[in-house]
Amino acid sequence: KQEVTQIPAALSVPEGENLVLNCSFTDSAIYNLQWFRQDPGKGLTSLLLIQSSQREQTSGRLNASLDKSSGRSTLYIAASQPGDSATYLCAGDSSNTGKLIFGQGTTLQVKP
Amino acid sequence: ETGVTQTPRHLVMGMTNKKSLKCEQHLGHNAMYWYKQSAKKPLELMFVYSLEERVENNSVPSRFSPECPNSSHLFLHLHTLQPEDSALYLCASSLEWDSNQPQHFGDGTRLSIL
Repeated sequence: KQEVTQIPAALSVPEGENLVLNCSFTDSAIYNLQWFRQDPGKGLTSLLLIQSSQREQTSGRLNASLDKSSGRSTLYIAASQPGDSATYLCAGDSSNTGKLIFGQGTTLQVKP
Repeated sequence: ETGVTQTPRHLVMGMTNKKSLKCEQHLGHNAMYWYKQSAKKPLELMFVYSLEERVENNSVPSRFSPECPNSSHLFLHLHTLQPEDSALYLCASSLEWDSNQPQHFGDGTRLSIL
């Protein structure tokens, strides 16, 4: 059974720092991986999707990579801002059916 | 505006009540999903519909009954719920039921069972 672990569970950093969030899968057979952001009381906002033929994706200050051989993904946030404060969730599809398996998330606080 | 709208945003009901959650998407997507988000647990996929046909039922108790009358609307009918069913219920949609398509989420319905 595929399980997803996100480390750390919580992170507090001063504004301006570069940071890395980690995600790992018990089954390294991952077809694609999606990173989401969730603000309190809200749904999920899709940040980046690494498709089956890709290894990384970039959007603005965000960069996500996927190492299929090890079943690990990282989300890199450059020059963090207070507006980046949220919970970040990674989710992978190991059956190529759109059935996403989620981690429990990393709650990020960026202090001004 | 996420393109996926869920109503109501909050719902409080007794264990013997019957209620329905509604999801509507204006993105022209063909696949729709129900997820459950409980405190301290990862999001759990409940149901998947593709072109109005249910393609996934993730071992969900029968007290949850989904309905997809068309590709833009998805309902979750609730009856005889238990306190452990209190959670945030999220709806999502994607262009196709395909792992290479990003899923877009609504803001959820916060359900509390008395």
